[in-house]
Amino acid sequence: ILNVEQSPQSLHVQEGDSTNFTCSFPSSNFYALHWYRWETAKSPEALFVMTLNGDEKKKGRISATLNTKEGYSYLYIKGSQPEDSATYLCASSGDAGNMLTFGGGTRLMVKP
Amino acid sequence: EAQVTQNPRYLITVTGKKLTVTCSQNMNHEYMSWYRQDPGLGLRQIYYSMNVEVTDKGDVPEGYKVSRKEKRNFPLILESPSPNQTSLYFCASSLSVRGPYEQYFGPGTRLTVT
Repeated sequence: ILNVEQSPQSLHVQEGDSTNFTCSFPSSNFYALHWYRWETAKSPEALFVMTLNGDEKKKGRISATLNTKEGYSYLYIKGSQPEDSATYLCASSGDAGNMLTFGGGTRLMVKP
Repeated sequence: EAQVTQNPRYLITVTGKKLTVTCSQNMNHEYMSWYRQDPGLGLRQIYYSMNVEVTDKGDVPEGYKVSRKEKRNFPLILESPSPNQTSLYFCASSLSVRGPYEQYFGPGTRLTVT
């Protein structure tokens, strides 16, 4: 069973601040790393799926990097806005499959 | 519109009364999965299905059953619910289990067992 850890568990920032969170996962037998954004009372939505070491993906003000050799991924949000408030989940899969093991999430709250 | 639907969205029931939570997707996805979400524990996989008539246990399968008779539907069955199954349940689907495909989640079902 993969062990996926996210830190911090929660984070309060001011509007306009840039922030980042960490996801660590076992680097052996790695296949893919997923990031999801989960707003309260909604369902998780995919942000990124990454597979290659050194991958960097971007969607608007949000970007993510991947280091498969040391087993971590960073999610960055530039110029946080109140609408970025959500829980950000990462999940890892191994064995060339799509069965995901999720981390506990980082809950971001952006104050206006 | 591509989506995963779940019903009911909210359910309060009593210990021992069998219930079914339905899940349906309209994207012709092969892979479907059920998760439960509990505070501090993240999403944990209950059961998954790689295709029609192919199901397998996830990390926390005890007390649950599933079936996959049609590609679009993947119901979750609690034969004799207990209070420790009070949780938020999500159904998800993706194109295939083989490949780095994003998962699409349903809206969630909040279950309370008294």
